[in-house]
Amino acid sequence: SYVLTQPPSVSVAPGQTATITCGGNNIGGKSVQWYQQRAGQAPLLVMYNDNARPSGSPVRFSGSNSGNTATLTITRVEAGDEADYYCQVWDTTSDLYVFGTGTKVTVL
Amino acid sequence: EVQLVESGGGLILPGGSLRLSCAASGFTFSGYWMHWVRQAPGKGLEWVARINSEGTSTTYADAVKGRFSISRDNAKNTLHLQMNSLRVEDTAAYYCATNILDYGIFDSWGQGTQVTVSP
Repeated sequence: SYVLTQPPSVSVAPGQTATITCGGNNIGGKSVQWYQQRAGQAPLLVMYNDNARPSGSPVRFSGSNSGNTATLTITRVEAGDEADYYCQVWDTTSDLYVFGTGTKVTVL
Repeated sequence: EVQLVESGGGLILPGGSLRLSCAASGFTFSGYWMHWVRQAPGKGLEWVARINSEGTSTTYADAVKGRFSISRDNAKNTLHLQMNSLRVEDTAAYYCATNILDYGIFDSWGQGTQVTVSP
């Protein structure tokens, strides 16, 4: 089955840039979504189709995807960005939906 | 505004059954695929099941195949998950989610309903 690997944690100071990676075999050939999940809340879509922001997602969020790594970048990090972040793809070969292992972003 | 409200969770013994529901509003429910996604305590997200817009095609994660059944009532804008032969490892918050933007994207989520399977 398809596996997506994320770093367990990322720490960043306010105003700095957070980079969250998502590794998968030839993930560059798939569309990647990113979800933010604040403590005690439901997940929220913050990026889709690699680099498209849904309505309401801050412009500080950007995405890229190439080769075996997709990346979510958060610039000018704010305290409210502290959350768990999950990448996700639809593996159309197996017709299964796969989430990454999740990354906890801590704002110092 | 899309709204998804799950219900039906609770405490259940191993081997028992439970039926979850998800009431949808704010969009044309009958036009979109729907999903269930779960999250065990302190763990990551795990996709559970999908149903097409007409309710004629379903797909399941291997972990629940043969035990869970997803269905929908388009007349009542409601999604269901029938869970049988429950196991301790099925303990999780269960979320319903939509595919409005595109088939592979979970663009709206409910607040979740907690299922606890314990002796």
